[in-house]
Formats: sequence, C-alpha cells, structure tokens
Amino acid sequence: AQKVTQAQTEISVVEKEDVTLDCVYETRDTTYYLFWYKQPPSGELVFLIRRNSFDEQNEISGRYSWNFQKSTSSFNFTITASQVVDSAVYFCAFYSTGGGNKLTFGTGTQLKVEL
Amino acid sequence: NAGVTQTPKFQVLKTGQSMTLQCAQDMNHNSMYWYRQDPGMGLRLIYYSASEGTTDKGEVPNGYNVSRLNKREFSLRLESAAPSQTSVYFCASRVSGDSNQPQHFGDGTRLSIL
Repeated sequence: AQKVTQAQTEISVVEKEDVTLDCVYETRDTTYYLFWYKQPPSGELVFLIRRNSFDEQNEISGRYSWNFQKSTSSFNFTITASQVVDSAVYFCAFYSTGGGNKLTFGTGTQLKVEL
Repeated sequence: NAGVTQTPKFQVLKTGQSMTLQCAQDMNHNSMYWYRQDPGMGLRLIYYSASEGTTDKGEVPNGYNVSRLNKREFSLRLESAAPSQTSVYFCASRVSGDSNQPQHFGDGTRLSIL
C-alpha cells in the first residue's frame, strides 16, 4: 500500500528565512507521481508541482524548489527567503496506477511565516 | 474560468437530516473525486468516478452515496447525517488517461452536523 509521511506538523519561521518541508513516501510501484499542494488560510487547494518517478531532476520556480531523491524516497520542498504570504498548509501527495486510482495525501505541514 | 464549483460553501445540519453536496466542473475532465478533510488527517478519498456512468468506493465511503449525473456533475449525498461527518468536503477533477496530470480542486464545503 502507498503511504505518504509529512513528519513536520507545524513549522514557524521568521520572514526571509529559508524553510524545507519534508515528504517521504512508501511504495512498491516503479511508476508513480508525486505532487505538492498549498492550502492557504482561505481554504482552497492550489496545485504547485508534479514529478514522475522517472524524472529525478530538481526543479526551481522562483523562490520555490523541489528535491526528489528516489534513493531515500523523499520529495522535499524548499522555500527560499520566506514571506508572510507563504503561510499555509502544504500537502504532499502520491499517485500510482497500482494505487487504485487515488491520490494519497500526507497529513500536511502548517507553515507560519512571521514578521 | 470557473474550474471546479462546489455548492453550498457552508451548511449546518441536525443529526439524521439528509443533504446533497453538488460539484460541477467545466474543464471536460473524465475523472471526478470527493474527499473529506479532517484536522491532522489530510484528505481522504470518499468516492470517485473514473468516467461518466461509473463510480467506485474510496478509503472512507461509509455513510455516503454518489451520483455521476453527467460528465460535468458529481454529487455526494449524506442520507442520515452523523456528527462524525462534520468535515470539510472537497470535490476534484482530473483528465484521465494521463497519470501525470494533477487533480484540480473546488473551494470546499464546510459541513457541521449537530
């Protein structure tokens, strides 16, 4: 069975600090997909990034970067120079064709960025 | 560009009442999903519909029924609401046939059962 673990329940940082959100997954599948979603205080879920299991290239988008490492089954998310607007709950999610057509979510990490 | 629209946004029910949550998407997606979100538990799949005319149980289907009315609409029904069903409910849709595509979510329905 698939499992996604976000061990950090809540992280608090001061604005302009860098912060890394951890995501570890478990699967026996060789083909799978990983996603990050952001849930701001307003409550909607915003898609941030996807990665498939064959593509281990790291990705950078502005202040956001993602580090995918199959060797450690991790897909970590780093925010550089954090801002108050980054305050949200961040979810890591996993999908595989052998996973019953469902997206398995981690329990989320609450990020609080303070002035 | 509406995306996924859920109605209502908020609802309070009494135990034993019935309720249907509505979801519609305008992205021509084949697959649609219902999740519930509870504190500390992330999102859990209730039911999904891979295509029009099909529905399947997810992780937590008990106490719920669904209807895929057409390609655009996927409703979730609580026949006899219980306090344990107090939650935030999200509908999502996705292009099927390409597992790389993300699910797109509605804004959620906050449901309280007294």
